[in-house]
Amino acid sequence: DQQVKQNSPSLSVQEGRISILNCDYTNSMFDYFLWYKKYPAEGPTFLISISSIKDKNEDGRFTVFLNKSAKHLSLHIVPSQPGDSAVYFCAAINYGQNFVFGPGTRLSVLP
Amino acid sequence: EAQVTQNPRYLITVTGKKLTVTCSQNMNHEYMSWYRQDPGLGLRQIYYSMNVEVTDKGDVPEGYKVSRKEKRNFPLILESPSPNQTSLYFCASSPLRAGSGTEAFFGQGTRLTVV
Repeated sequence: DQQVKQNSPSLSVQEGRISILNCDYTNSMFDYFLWYKKYPAEGPTFLISISSIKDKNEDGRFTVFLNKSAKHLSLHIVPSQPGDSAVYFCAAINYGQNFVFGPGTRLSVLP
Repeated sequence: EAQVTQNPRYLITVTGKKLTVTCSQNMNHEYMSWYRQDPGLGLRQIYYSMNVEVTDKGDVPEGYKVSRKEKRNFPLILESPSPNQTSLYFCASSPLRAGSGTEAFFGQGTRLTVV
């Protein structure tokens, strides 16, 4: 049973518009959440994170929102650029150390 | 440059032939782990290590072994590979958590095919 879910395997967005990637989790013990971006033939790279004590974290064009009561987080990319086309993984950590990853969402930003 | 290095990047092997995938990090991180990435399943943890000589099973440890004799190295060993271990493997490292959390740094990946 997946503890971290990304229900959209893929998403297409026009360049300049907003991309919204969603992630749901089931384990209420998770206290830290991260988004990773992965290009083909490369390892995942860290994008942005949020602690469970916050509901929003912003870094340039990227904003992560956390709704603890709904066990839901989302990544907003505004404006979307063709270079943002990649697979995005949502990850969660509990009070220990281990990362639990979602299955990923492939984002395509169309010029 | 801070990095996690995996070797080899690509490997084709036959069933039952022992192999080792190496992983090395130059950031003096305590925590290292191995993941496999399969379509629709994301990244699943195989084994992890909190420090030298300390290793533990992740979610999918069957058919794998690891060792952590030095802080920088964390090799993944397949004693008798089988076709269901055909996958894309990633090694990752991070400092042990202090406070709110920390990111993990990933290697470039090793694509393994077992025929």
